[in-house]
Amino acid sequence: SQELEQSPQSLIVQEGKNLTINCTSSKTLYGLYWYKQKYGEGLIFLMMLQKGGEEKSHEKITAKLDEKKQQSSLHITASQPSHAGIYLCGAEDAGGTSYGKLTFGQGTILTVHP
Amino acid sequence: NAGVTQTPKFQVLKTGQSMTLQCAQDMNHNSMYWYRQDPGMGLRLIYYSASEGTTDKGEVPNGYNVSRLNKREFSLRLESAAPSQTSVYFCASSEALAGWIITDTQYFGPGTRLTVL
Repeated sequence: SQELEQSPQSLIVQEGKNLTINCTSSKTLYGLYWYKQKYGEGLIFLMMLQKGGEEKSHEKITAKLDEKKQQSSLHITASQPSHAGIYLCGAEDAGGTSYGKLTFGQGTILTVHP
Repeated sequence: NAGVTQTPKFQVLKTGQSMTLQCAQDMNHNSMYWYRQDPGMGLRLIYYSASEGTTDKGEVPNGYNVSRLNKREFSLRLESAAPSQTSVYFCASSEALAGWIITDTQYFGPGTRLTVL
């Protein structure tokens, strides 16, 4: 089965700083999802990447999928306290009749100090 | 449009007790999923249902049973709770149909925090 490794496991930054979270897969990624979770709440979908080299942005968050489709990065520009939470990457099981089953990384805890 | 709802939000059980976690979605999605989230381990799939009337095991199915009551509802049952089942449980749904649809957004409920003493 596919394994996803996120780094770093936790991150503490000062408000206004940029930061990057990485997600590395042991296998080719067919669909890579980024979710955000606030403590005690469910997961909020951020964006999905599918094609090698693809890059998507929403407000101050940019996600990229590398050409080989085995690594994704999530970059936050000028971080704000509202960005704090747990960021999880999830990936489709490789092709076929996966029915949308996702394998998740262990998560990255982001703290943003005002 | 409530999305995915879960009940209860919190639950404390004693070892050996049973309980059912309820999940419902109002998005007319075909597939539904149960995950558990433990510190340092991310989310792990317990069971999923690709369509009404079908269920399949995920990564960590032992100690759990599920029922896809209808297209809207997917319940998770713990027959004899154990301390190792202390976790946060999330239900999710997606449009994914049986077949080769491989990229589909999953929508998550708010979670159920379960403690087994």
